[in-house]
Amino acid sequence: QKEVEQNSGPLSVPEGAIASLNCTYSDRVSQSFFWYRQYSGKSPELIMSIYSNGDKEDGRFTAQLNKASQYVSLLIRDSQPSDSATYLCAVNMRSGGYQKVTFGTGTKLQVIP
Amino acid sequence: DVKVTQSSRYLVKRTGEKVFLECVQDMDHENMFWYRQDPGLGLRLIYFSYDVKMKEKGDIPEGYSVSREKKERFSLILESASTNQTSMYLCASSPAGGETQYFGPGTRLLVL
Repeated sequence: QKEVEQNSGPLSVPEGAIASLNCTYSDRVSQSFFWYRQYSGKSPELIMSIYSNGDKEDGRFTAQLNKASQYVSLLIRDSQPSDSATYLCAVNMRSGGYQKVTFGTGTKLQVIP
Repeated sequence: DVKVTQSSRYLVKRTGEKVFLECVQDMDHENMFWYRQDPGLGLRLIYFSYDVKMKEKGDIPEGYSVSREKKERFSLILESASTNQTSMYLCASSPAGGETQYFGPGTRLLVL
């Protein structure tokens, strides 16, 4: 089982719709969760972090965390063509005595005008 | 504004060459990381450093080494480049105790 798992997509949604991106993780005691956006040919940039169960909203983005189910998701409301990118889920995990952030392979989102 | 810079955007090297990839950050971050990114495999951690002169192996350190002589600079070294090291290399930094990583623009390395 991968430590951080995402569906690679592509996930295609029409402009104005809600895009739902999902991620599961294996380390039960992980405490910190992140969503990064990566445009084609560019480096990842952080868009959301979440630490507690429940929802966290920031503009059109909502991160949802369920630690019991080891599941974190990102909702993008009113999707725009400019949201087309790969979204990386990242989880802070223990590894060899250190805390390190482990990334999923990413979900490619395509917003169709 | 955090800025992480990498010495080259594109690099072409021959098999067996020694390759140096440089990363510099200007925000006095303690933590620095080197990743490679390949299609279908995502971001994989090669090495990281939580302090000057300190280094720790990540998930795929084989064939690589690193150097951190100054806080702002973290170098990745390919001792003898091989074709399977063709990849996008990304450097990142974060403050002590911080988990948000700030990435450089990446170096696309082609080994022929």
